[in-house]
Amino acid sequence: AQTVTQSQPEMSVQEAETVTLSCTYDTSESNYYLFWYKQPPSRQMILVIRQEAYKQQNATENRFSVNFQKAAKSFSLKISDSQLGDTAMYFCAFSGGSNYKLTFGKGTLLTVNP
Amino acid sequence: DSGVTQTPKHLITATGQRVTLRCSPRSGDLSVYWYQQSLDQGLQFLIQYYNGEERAKGNILERFSAQQFPDLHSELNLSSLELGDSALYFCASSLRGGAYQETQYFGPGTRLLVL
Repeated sequence: AQTVTQSQPEMSVQEAETVTLSCTYDTSESNYYLFWYKQPPSRQMILVIRQEAYKQQNATENRFSVNFQKAAKSFSLKISDSQLGDTAMYFCAFSGGSNYKLTFGKGTLLTVNP
Repeated sequence: DSGVTQTPKHLITATGQRVTLRCSPRSGDLSVYWYQQSLDQGLQFLIQYYNGEERAKGNILERFSAQQFPDLHSELNLSSLELGDSALYFCASSLRGGAYQETQYFGPGTRLLVL
């Protein structure tokens, strides 16, 4: 079974600064995808970024980028130039092998301070 | 807006009652997933349907059931409700649902409160 661990329950950052959220996972699958979802106070789940395990290049989406370390089973999210609207719960998620479901971590609550 | 719709947005009911949550997937998506988000259990996968047929089951209680109709909308039925069933229930959809690499797009959720 897959597990996803987010070791930082809460983090805070000043506006315009950079912050990194950590995620580790455990799987025996060789083919899988990793995702970061954002859940703002509205509770909507919004896809932030995704990474294919077979790609060595780290995914980027505007101010969001990941550091994917396959051997270490680590998948961190870096948010550059943090904005007040980035305040949200961030979930790391795994999907792989014959399992089409998403397995989520417990989330990291990020607060961006003005 | 993800294109996935869920109704109702909020639901308040009493223990022992039965409720139905409805989901319409994004246009063109054939697969629907249901997730439960609660404070103690986090985000948990319940069940997946693909083109009308059940494809995968997760931590879904026997008191819960779901189906996907020919027009691809899905309903999650929760019966004999208990206080612990209070949670946010998400529906997500994906294009085919037959591959782990498909992105799942989430609806706004239905917040269920059992009193």
